[in-house]
Amino acid sequence: DTEVTQTPKHLVMGMTNKKSLKCEQHMGHRAMYWYKQKAKKPPELMFVYSYEKLSINESVPSRFSPECPNSSLLNLHLHALQPEDSALYLCASSQRTGDKGYTFGSGTRLTVV
Amino acid sequence: GENVEQHPSTLSVQEGDSAVIKCTYSDSASNYFPWYKQELGKGPQLIIDIRSNVGEKKDQRIAVTLNKTAKHFSLHITETQPEDSAVYFCAALRPNSGYALNFGKGTSLLVTP
Repeated sequence: DTEVTQTPKHLVMGMTNKKSLKCEQHMGHRAMYWYKQKAKKPPELMFVYSYEKLSINESVPSRFSPECPNSSLLNLHLHALQPEDSALYLCASSQRTGDKGYTFGSGTRLTVV
Repeated sequence: GENVEQHPSTLSVQEGDSAVIKCTYSDSASNYFPWYKQELGKGPQLIIDIRSNVGEKKDQRIAVTLNKTAKHFSLHITETQPEDSAVYFCAALRPNSGYALNFGKGTSLLVTP
């Protein structure tokens, strides 16, 4: 298995909703990431987890709350989002050193209405 | 912080011709340089990567070269095909950053039949 699987593929949510994005990998990678990508822009880092511990938070607003329940799963909990948060949310994973098989999922297309 | 510059922003070639995309990075401690292909509505797909202890790597029609002294790396696609049309991103692993990637702004490649 060489894939990073993200669900759902599409999500529409209101500004008062609570929703979660899910990410799963079974490559034995111990580093997992959330990136945000706006249209026609490169991905931008949000969070880094290493060995299930949050190691980097790129000053992301608290309405985004990451969680890493185990070495294969990564969640992103969403609450009270704004329309400008609409974007493609990408999960990625890699070997712990970051320099092997840095693999992205297909993303969740999020629309906040 | 690490900056990655990517050129050109758009590239149009005829089927069968070669395409070259160039990137430069600023932090000499960067040690891993992946290239991603992103098709519309999909996540970035890792197509080739190179580590700083290697000068060149090839995989069928795709090759990457790295010049550590000049701090630049390039993607070469030979015998281009229409299905190579996509946005290509270069990236550099941020040193001491929890294994996050800094991306170039992307190159939109169009291969015309």
